[in-house]
Formats: sequence, structure tokens, C-alpha cells
Amino acid sequence: QKEVEQNSGPLSVPEGAIASLNCTYSDRGSQSFFWYRQYSGKSPELIMFIYSNGDKEDGRFTAQLNKASQYVSLLIRDSQPSDSATYLCAVKQGGSEKLVFGKGTKLTVNP
Amino acid sequence: DTEVTQTPKHLVMGMTNKKSLKCEQHMGHRAMYWYKQKAKKPPELMFVYSYEKLSINESVPSRFSPECPNSSLLNLHLHALQPEDSALYLCASSHTLTGTNTEAFFGQGTRLTVV
Repeated sequence: QKEVEQNSGPLSVPEGAIASLNCTYSDRGSQSFFWYRQYSGKSPELIMFIYSNGDKEDGRFTAQLNKASQYVSLLIRDSQPSDSATYLCAVKQGGSEKLVFGKGTKLTVNP
Repeated sequence: DTEVTQTPKHLVMGMTNKKSLKCEQHMGHRAMYWYKQKAKKPPELMFVYSYEKLSINESVPSRFSPECPNSSLLNLHLHALQPEDSALYLCASSHTLTGTNTEAFFGQGTRLTVV
């Protein structure tokens, strides 16, 4: 079973801090990587996607991909209480049509 | 616009009932998905359709029957469900299944309770 692993947390940061969320994956052929935010009782919301090694920035969010280390991360700068949610890492496995999710990291941003 | 619309939002059904979940998108996406999510768990893939053809069935019990009538619509027909099938059922769509245009957007989900 090809896996996607995340720190289960919970992760707690003060308002204004940088939150760092990490994800590793086992399928070396994986090509596409996604971060979803899910509020309690709601559906997952796509917040970042990355296909190439390096960093990708969108507003307060930065996704980082290192295919050699099979590692993808999400940085949230200037964290706000509204960022408190579960963050799901998802990986589209190489040669497959399957999008596999990690178990998620629950983030709490304290005012 | 990245909207995927699911109906109904909530559904309570008995174990002998037949019901259907509906999903619609008008983004021109050619891949559509059904996921099941239990509380405090990640979404689990059930079915994938690509260009209106069933591409993946993740060994889902036959009491769940998917249907893709056209490129914008995806249905999930439910029959003789068990209480353990109670969950949030999520529909998603993406432009394609492979390559660099595979971002999947989720609908709001149908909260299903089987009694």
C-alpha cells in the first residue's frame, strides 16, 4: 500500500506565527501534490498544489516539494485563528488515477 | 468558478430504502470522483470516472452503484445500506486524471445517516 504520512498533531501556534505542516509519501513515481484545508463538518477545500521541485507561494501559503526526499510541506505565514482547521496532504500517485490522502494534521491558531 | 454542487446536503434513509446522491459541475472537467469520509478520518476513494467511463472501483460493495449520465453529472445510487455506511459522501472533479491539470475540487458533501 503506497502511503502518505502526516504528523497527526495537533499543532498549536500563536496568532501571527508561521505554521509548518509536513508530509512524506512512499511512491517515488508520484507527480502531483496537493494541500487541502478542512473545517470541522465541512468538505475539503483545495488551497495549494505543486507539481515541480521547489517552492510555490500564494499569499500567506507556501508549498515546498522535494521529490528526492519524497517530502512536501506547507508553510502558513502570519497565522490567523481562521486558519484553525485540519490540513490534508494528498498525492496523485505515478501512473495511477488515484488521489491518496494523508490522515491530516489538526492546526489550532491561538489568539 | 470552481463549484461542484451536491444534493441533497443531508439524507436519512432506512436500510430498505433506495436513494440517490447527485453531483453536478459546469467547469468542463472530464474526471469525477466519489469519496466517503468518516469522522476524523481522511477521504477514502470509492469511484473514479474519466470521460464518462468508470475508471476505478475501489472494491466498493454493490449496494453503492455509480452512474455518470453525462460529463457534468455524477450520481451515486444507494440500496440496502447498513448503519456503518453513515458518513459524509464527497463528490469531486478535475480537468483530467493525469498530467499537470489534475487539481480536484470537492463539493459540499452529502451527510448520510442510515437508520
